[in-house]
Amino acid sequence: AQKITQTQPGMFVQEKEAVTLDCTYDTSDPSYGLFWYKQPSSGEMIFLIYQGSYDQQNATEGRYSLNFQKARKSANLVISASQLGDSAMYFCAMREGYGGSQGNLIFGKGTKLSVKP
Amino acid sequence: DAGVIQSPRHEVTEMGQEVTLRCKPISGHDYLFWYRQTMMRGLELLIYFNNNVPIDDSGMPEDRFSAKMPNASFSTLKIQPSEPRDSAVYFCASSFGGTSTDTQYFGPGTRLTVL
Repeated sequence: AQKITQTQPGMFVQEKEAVTLDCTYDTSDPSYGLFWYKQPSSGEMIFLIYQGSYDQQNATEGRYSLNFQKARKSANLVISASQLGDSAMYFCAMREGYGGSQGNLIFGKGTKLSVKP
Repeated sequence: DAGVIQSPRHEVTEMGQEVTLRCKPISGHDYLFWYRQTMMRGLELLIYFNNNVPIDDSGMPEDRFSAKMPNASFSTLKIQPSEPRDSAVYFCASSFGGTSTDTQYFGPGTRLTVL
């Protein structure tokens, strides 16, 4: 079973509008971290935002926020006021805290976001 | 502060040749990761180090792949001999700490093409 599922291969959003990118995860570990990365066409992986499994509040970083619903095992990324430069691939990833392979990130397949002017 | 540095950024080689990819992690980070990205398999972990010691190399595809970290500021990923199916983008990432709260920062990647 996939540990990270991103069900939207591609999405379009109008410039200046908000957009939500979906991510669901699967883990039995009580301690885990959820991360979102952006990969523009230039190829680098840029860290955007982090949410810990014990965090009581949803994470926010500028125009990025994370809609964390622990019971549903979802960690959706919300981008407010979309800009043309937001066009990129977005990856959801999880890092488990204890047991198994502690160190690595497990990535979803990504969502390609296109912002229309 | 400098981020993770990788070299070369692009590598084109012929099947059977040896390829060496290099990585300099962020200073002070004690974890270093090598990932591979392909269209078919997405992003997958190859190997990671903690304090220069390999911890998990279960993702290394086969004996043709090897990785070393001789000191805290340098790591190499070597493919010998290279094959066309090794064509991919190879990322190095580093983090301070190995728990679920620790963010991994990625280098710009090396795009490898094996002809």
